[in-house]
Amino acid sequence: AQKVTQAQTEISVVEKEDVTLDCVYETRDTTYYLFWYKQPPSGELVFLIRRNSFDEQNEISGRYSWNFQKSTSSFNFTITASQVVDSAVYFCALSEAWGAQKLVFGQGTRLTINP
Amino acid sequence: DGGITQSPKYLFRKEGQNVTLSCEQNLNHDAMYWYRQDPGQGLRLIYYSQIVNDFQKGDIAEGYSVSREKKESFPLTVTSAQKNPTAFYLCASSRGGEYEAFFGQGTRLTVV
Repeated sequence: AQKVTQAQTEISVVEKEDVTLDCVYETRDTTYYLFWYKQPPSGELVFLIRRNSFDEQNEISGRYSWNFQKSTSSFNFTITASQVVDSAVYFCALSEAWGAQKLVFGQGTRLTINP
Repeated sequence: DGGITQSPKYLFRKEGQNVTLSCEQNLNHDAMYWYRQDPGQGLRLIYYSQIVNDFQKGDIAEGYSVSREKKESFPLTVTSAQKNPTAFYLCASSRGGEYEAFFGQGTRLTVV
């Protein structure tokens, strides 16, 4: 069975600090997809990134970066120079590579950026 | 604007009543999904549909029913058999398994 664990329930930092959100996953599939979503107070989930299991390159998008390590089954997310607008709940998710995209979510990490 | 529309935003239901949550998308996506979110927890899959007139149970389908008569629409009915229906319900759609899902703004259901 697939499982995603986000051990950090809540994180609180001061603006401009860097912060890393951890994600560890379990799957027996050799091919799968990993995702990060952001859930602002309005409720909808906003897509941030998708990573194929064959692509272990780290990715950077502005202040956001992702570190995918297949050897440790981790897909961590770092926000550099955090801003108040980054405050949200962040979810890591896993899906099979074939067929419907049945997402398995972690419990989420509530990130609060204080001014 | 392209996107997913869920209605209503807030819904109150008396115990023993069925209630239907609406989900409409104009993204021309084949696949649609319903997830349930409880406080402090991640989302769990209720039902999904990959094509019109076909749908499959997710991890927590008991007490729920769906239909997919049109590509754009995927309503979810919360039946009286659902023991603990108070939750936040999110609808999503995607082009297919390898593409990201787009989510609606959710419906918060409260049983009173």
